Parts: sequence; C-alpha cells; structure tokens
Amino acid sequence: KAGVTQTPRYLIKTRGQQVTLSCSPISGHRSVSWYQQTPGQGLQFLFEYFSETQRNKGNFPGRFSGRQFSNSRSEMNVSTLELGDSALYLCASSKETSGVVNEQFFGPGTRLTVL
Amino acid sequence: AQSVSQHNHHVILSEAASLELGCNYSYGGTVNLFWYVQYPGQHLQLLLKYFSGDPLVKGIKGFEAEFIKSKFSFNLRKPSVQWSDTAEYFCAVNLKAAGNKLTFGGGTRVLVKP
Repeated sequence: KAGVTQTPRYLIKTRGQQVTLSCSPISGHRSVSWYQQTPGQGLQFLFEYFSETQRNKGNFPGRFSGRQFSNSRSEMNVSTLELGDSALYLCASSKETSGVVNEQFFGPGTRLTVL
Repeated sequence: AQSVSQHNHHVILSEAASLELGCNYSYGGTVNLFWYVQYPGQHLQLLLKYFSGDPLVKGIKGFEAEFIKSKFSFNLRKPSVQWSDTAEYFCAVNLKAAGNKLTFGGGTRVLVKP
C-alpha cells in the first residue's frame, strides 16, 4: 500500500511570493492534517481536513490556508511568504472508522526555503 | 494552555544501555497518546500509541510506554538500545474530542554510540 506522498519535495521561493504544496493520503484515508516543523518551534499543527471540510485549525495567520478535494487529496497554500516560513511541511493522513480517530501516517514532507 | 513536555533534548547512550524518555502533558480532557520516531533522513513513523485499556503499551522495535494518568505522563522505554535506534523521538497528544489535531513535544535526539 502506497504511503502518504507529498509534492514537491523541495522548494525555494522568495519573500512575498506564494506557494502551494500538495499531499496525497493513503488510499482510503479521509482525514488529512498539515504540520510545520522548524528547529525553533518544533512540530506545530496547521490544520486538518476531513471530507473536504476544515475540521481543526492551529494558531497560524490567515496567510496559511488549505483545501481538500473529493478524492481526499489536499493542498496547502502560503501567501506573501516570509523568511520565517522556511520549514519542513508535513502532511499526515488518517483512517477514521465510525468517527473513531486512529493514528496518523506522515509523508516525507516538503522542504520550503524562503530567501 | 495545552502543552506537551519532553524532559530531555539530547540523550547519548552506548549500545545495550537502557533508554527512558520522559513525556508529560497538560490537557483537560481524555487523551490519545503517541510516540513517533524520526530516523535520520526518514519521515516520522509511529512507534506506539495509547487510546485506552492496559496503560502499558508495546510498540515496534522493542519499545514500550507506560501511561500514568495521575502523573499526566507517557514515558517511553527500551531495555537495550542498538546503534540503529539513533533518531529523534517525539511524544504527541490529542484530545479524543478534537479529531486528529496532534500536539507534539519538542523532541529528544537520541544518539547511540556503537
């Protein structure tokens, strides 16, 4: 069974630009969550999507947004990039059974560098 | 505020030594608890999880963790480490009522010397 895939794996942008990252969950998983990983702040939750609806949101500015498609694939967008947005962005998917939460499976991440 | 604390940022051990990593959380409700591991150059992998039942849970690669509700702790243990256990270990918590939102501890880098 294929794992969580994320594209692109590496990205270099400049301040002020916007970026879109993509995540394909494990087949059959309907929940997709996004996390930001930095050396200073560690792993921080961005948001979670389930059945195309944002179900949870972390404490990030509105420049960070996301969406989920009917096939459960998800994208996150960061607008007006700042140097501090440089990070590893992780996507995780989870299979829920009758509303019961299960463990999340993480993808390899997209390494975003903002210059 | 909800938080997860890992006591040690760095741990250095020799092979065959025992490992114990501390994790404490601050949450006001019923929680699910996880330990994830990130090997060098690899993505986060689940080591073990606790949802309910026996508070002593066993995971992959000989790891186990004990949930002590009264202490809000979920410490990870391995009786005898190997060089291949060199990795960063993350404790994570989510509220049962909060979907899949995980709050992670700061991580512990473990170096096992051969």
